[in-house]
Amino acid sequence: KAGVTQTPRYLIKTRGQQVTLSCSPISGHRSVSWYQQTPGQGLQFLFEYFSETQRNKGNFPGRFSGRQFSNSRSEMNVSTLELGDSALYLCASTPGFGQYFGPGTRLTVL
Amino acid sequence: DAKTTQPNSMESNEEEPVHLPCNHSTISGTDYIHWYRQLPSQGPEYVIHGLTSNVNNRMASLAIAEDRKSSTLILHRATLRDAAVYYCILTPRGSGGSNYKLTFGKGTLLTVNP
Repeated sequence: KAGVTQTPRYLIKTRGQQVTLSCSPISGHRSVSWYQQTPGQGLQFLFEYFSETQRNKGNFPGRFSGRQFSNSRSEMNVSTLELGDSALYLCASTPGFGQYFGPGTRLTVL
Repeated sequence: DAKTTQPNSMESNEEEPVHLPCNHSTISGTDYIHWYRQLPSQGPEYVIHGLTSNVNNRMASLAIAEDRKSSTLILHRATLRDAAVYYCILTPRGSGGSNYKLTFGKGTLLTVNP
């Protein structure tokens, strides 16, 4: 089976812009979670989607949002980008136990 | 969420066993113990999980103390490819997808010497 794929792998934006990141889970996995990783805060949970519904949410501002499509693919959106949003954004899918992570999207905000 | 405590770093030699400890003294009776690792420039990778009994898989073994207040991830023969940050994570068993929200600590940076 193909692993979790994320696009794009690298992205450079400027403050105030918005960005959309995409994640394709492993075939058959219905749950998709998103995480942010920064050197200072480490890995932090953003949200989790299951069957097109947000089921869990972390402590991030409303500028961070996501959605899931009927084929389980997921997107996350960050609006009004800030310098502090520069991070590695990771997506993970799960069949129930154990999360399988993608390679991440490296977002740089200038 | 119950917290875990891991050493910041450990060092091992290639082809020797490695025992990575994790303390979780406030673990509840229904918390699962998960281990993940993150190799440089990659996303985290699931290693193993357990509840009460010791577990083995092709990657590692998980030894869980009888009182469940600590656990040890065992890599039987370390290779250079095992150099990574290892995370010990507790997840509550329950409904609503609570297992899908992982709370990562700082983990243990494992260095493997050739």
